[in-house]
Amino acid sequence: DAMVIQNPRYQVTQFGKPVTLSCSQTLNHNVMYWYQQKSSQAPKLLFHYYDKDFNNEADTPDNFQSRRPNTSFCFLDIRSPGLGDAAMYLCATSKDGGGVSKAFFGQGTRLTVV
Amino acid sequence: GQNIDQPTEMTATEGAIVQINCTYQTSGFNGLFWYQQHAGEAPTFLSYNVLDGLEEKGRFSSFLSRSKGYSYLLLKELQMKDSASYLCAVRDSNYQLIWGAGTKLIIKP
Repeated sequence: DAMVIQNPRYQVTQFGKPVTLSCSQTLNHNVMYWYQQKSSQAPKLLFHYYDKDFNNEADTPDNFQSRRPNTSFCFLDIRSPGLGDAAMYLCATSKDGGGVSKAFFGQGTRLTVV
Repeated sequence: GQNIDQPTEMTATEGAIVQINCTYQTSGFNGLFWYQQHAGEAPTFLSYNVLDGLEEKGRFSSFLSRSKGYSYLLLKELQMKDSASYLCAVRDSNYQLIWGAGTKLIIKP
């Protein structure tokens, strides 16, 4: 059974048109992450939630926002997508922020900007 | 700065053994992870090392030397389905994951 679910799997949006990607989890993990991954590159952390506490990476553009209305759901909002935002967006969860906890990833959403 | 280095690409033959190396320089160390990522899919967890030594899990083994800032992933009895990218990630002193760019492994018959 899928434990971290991302919707949609593929998303096509127009240049400048706001888009929202969603992530849900059945693991009851308190930490949720959003990563951006471009071809042949390492996943780049955009932000993460530790419970309700939002942590933004210093180099994450203001164009990217996130919401976590409850433990199970987390959203990535891209306010004005540019061509450079085309990438795979990965949601991940872990239990607590450290220890032996490993990150569980969703299947990703591949975003195309036209 | 923090840095994870892995070879960009490796090629191996079906049935053989391959070792993928990872060296790291991070602000602190709280464990090293190996993930497998097939093209167009999300990474899946393979192994975790926090103490020096070898962790064996079926055909896959992972080794860590903290003093050398070095790890390797060893894949035995290679199968065609092992063709994927292998990502090394280190958890730093702030418990953030620092990712390598991944090693693309190509398996030939």
